[in-house]
Amino acid sequence: GQNIDQPTEMTATEGAIVQINCTYQTSGFNGLFWYQQHAGEAPTFLSYNVLDGLEEKGRFSSFLSRSKGYSYLLLKELQMKDSASYLCAVTPLGGNTGKLIFGQGTTLQVKP
Amino acid sequence: DTEVTQTPKHLVMGMTNKKSLKCEQHMGHRAMYWYKQKAKKPPELMFVYSYEKLSINESVPSRFSPECPNSSLLNLHLHALQPEDSALYLCASSLVGTGPYEQYFGPGTRLTVT
Repeated sequence: GQNIDQPTEMTATEGAIVQINCTYQTSGFNGLFWYQQHAGEAPTFLSYNVLDGLEEKGRFSSFLSRSKGYSYLLLKELQMKDSASYLCAVTPLGGNTGKLIFGQGTTLQVKP
Repeated sequence: DTEVTQTPKHLVMGMTNKKSLKCEQHMGHRAMYWYKQKAKKPPELMFVYSYEKLSINESVPSRFSPECPNSSLLNLHLHALQPEDSALYLCASSLVGTGPYEQYFGPGTRLTVT
């Protein structure tokens, strides 16, 4: 079966650091993606992890532990525009087409 | 060009109407996807096309009929929809291979079924 868990909502202060966690239990694993989605807009790709460790992209970093079925997205120097939904998505094994299974998403509110 | 375009942006249709959603990309991606997204929920995969052939149908009702006429275009034909089909319909595309590859999403078509 497939199960991906994220907190439903988080609140943080402008300029701070926030960590959004994601745990997954899937029948096979090929990679984990993080997407950002502003209200009423399309999801946009932030990062992905295939191997264990930390991937850094500017203010955003993502970490993966395959043995623990755990990932997190770290957002530094938060800005008001970072208020959005953050979606964790897993690509299961099998086939060569990137089927994505999304978690429920974490709505982040950044306050002044 | 890293853009996926979708038309129309908004669509209102009755339960007896027939309409089509269109999606286009010129990134050379050979995988294209249709997702359905309800408010405050994540996108749900509906269909996947790989090299213009349907490779995944996530048990979607037959009132939704996908079509991939060429490597750049993806259509979703709608017929006899129900009010609960009202949602944001997202198209995405990606490379195909050992991957995994990020998916590029279009802005979506907001569909209202009356």
